[in-house]
Amino acid sequence: GESVGLHLPTLSVQEGDNSIINCAYSNSASDYFIWYKQESGKGPQFIIDIRSNMDKRQGQRVTVLLNKTVKHLSLQIAATQPGDSAVYFCAEGLGGYSTLTFGKGTMLLVSP
Amino acid sequence: EAQVTQNPRYLITVTGKKLTVTCSQNMNHEYMSWYRQDPGLGLRQIYYSMNVEVTDKGDVPEGYKVSRKEKRNFPLILESPSPNQTSLYFCASSSPQYHTDTQYFGPGTRLTVL
Repeated sequence: GESVGLHLPTLSVQEGDNSIINCAYSNSASDYFIWYKQESGKGPQFIIDIRSNMDKRQGQRVTVLLNKTVKHLSLQIAATQPGDSAVYFCAEGLGGYSTLTFGKGTMLLVSP
Repeated sequence: EAQVTQNPRYLITVTGKKLTVTCSQNMNHEYMSWYRQDPGLGLRQIYYSMNVEVTDKGDVPEGYKVSRKEKRNFPLILESPSPNQTSLYFCASSSPQYHTDTQYFGPGTRLTVL
């Protein structure tokens, strides 16, 4: 079947490089942001989240940066591995029972 | 294991033949949601439910129905499927009691309507 990865911006990196994936969000009132990873044939998988009262949050090999002034979110992946190859989505929402709004995604391709 | 399950995973059907895609979660989450994913359009929300017997339309509800009779189940119903409903469908759940909107997704159902 047709891949959801078609028509997406693509970032190609070498194994071991650091990757930076960017996302512009739409609602200045959004106070919660999530990055998801979607591998081929699977559902989106939570990577890391950040609330609007923070501008940086770190996880294992991943860092999310939030710039509320320009409504920009980025995901940094350190020492990228072939297993990181996937489509990455950002999502924004409001606290509580929010409905998330998803970005269209970026495909990350990691070459050995 | 905490998970969201969907059935079937793959379905090919014909125009007008009613179908139901089931979704079940074992995490006692209040919030459940259905999305469709299409190339170039990303994830778009169809319907969501904040709790049992509470459902509401998302961004693209036309041609779909849902029900939430039990907390764990949230089936998606296509009364009269059409070819433009050919898509990849995801169910998701979350619980705001944990102060997070992180949604946990099922594995997806690929639907083809001929």
